[in-house]
Amino acid sequence: ETGVTQTPRHLVMGMTNKKSLKCEQHLGHNAMYWYKQSAKKPLELMFVYSLEERVENNSVPSRFSPECPNSSHLFLHLHTLQPEDSALYLCASSQAQGTGAYEQYFGPGTRLTVT
Amino acid sequence: AQKITQTQPGMFVQEKEAVTLDCTYDTSDQSYGLFWYKQPSSGEMIFLIYQGSYDEQNATEGRYSLNFQKARKSANLVISASQLGDSAMYFCAMKVVNAGKSTFGDGTTLTVKP
Repeated sequence: ETGVTQTPRHLVMGMTNKKSLKCEQHLGHNAMYWYKQSAKKPLELMFVYSLEERVENNSVPSRFSPECPNSSHLFLHLHTLQPEDSALYLCASSQAQGTGAYEQYFGPGTRLTVT
Repeated sequence: AQKITQTQPGMFVQEKEAVTLDCTYDTSDQSYGLFWYKQPSSGEMIFLIYQGSYDEQNATEGRYSLNFQKARKSANLVISASQLGDSAMYFCAMKVVNAGKSTFGDGTTLTVKP
């Protein structure tokens, strides 16, 4: 595997379900990100992890819970979601910010539909 | 706070012609990076090109070049010799050094006509 991978690619879940999105990066990066992209809305940053510590939580509802067990893996745990949470969820990685401004490499995304 | 403005929601270009996608930014920081990403209909965001705030030369990557005008706070993307595969959404982004997050514009949808 190369680059940034995300699983599953598509997910349909009911409002009472619990599911998790997984992201893995094979680039040797140490910063990882979750973004939400809704139709006809700007890209929204959700969480940033740098060196496995959460450094940014962009006022995301608690029904989204991130986890970064190591620098290569990032999870987004979902529970009791709402229909408006249906979107494309993108994971990205980069060199750790702090000494420069580095480009991000994105995964293919998980298209989530909440019914 | 940083802000990115992309004023062109949609652009059309004829195949093999050049096209410029506009991006202006706003920041009070001196050290930052500017980026362009491409998002085809498949959804994956692809990094295209980077310009550092202290770089004196405009960045180029193959058919992509970044027209950086620091005084005007603009970072326009120029795509030369457009191809049908260039049809996609294009996002301008910036990141301040030592900040945790990047700021993205709303995007420009480019359609290349045969």
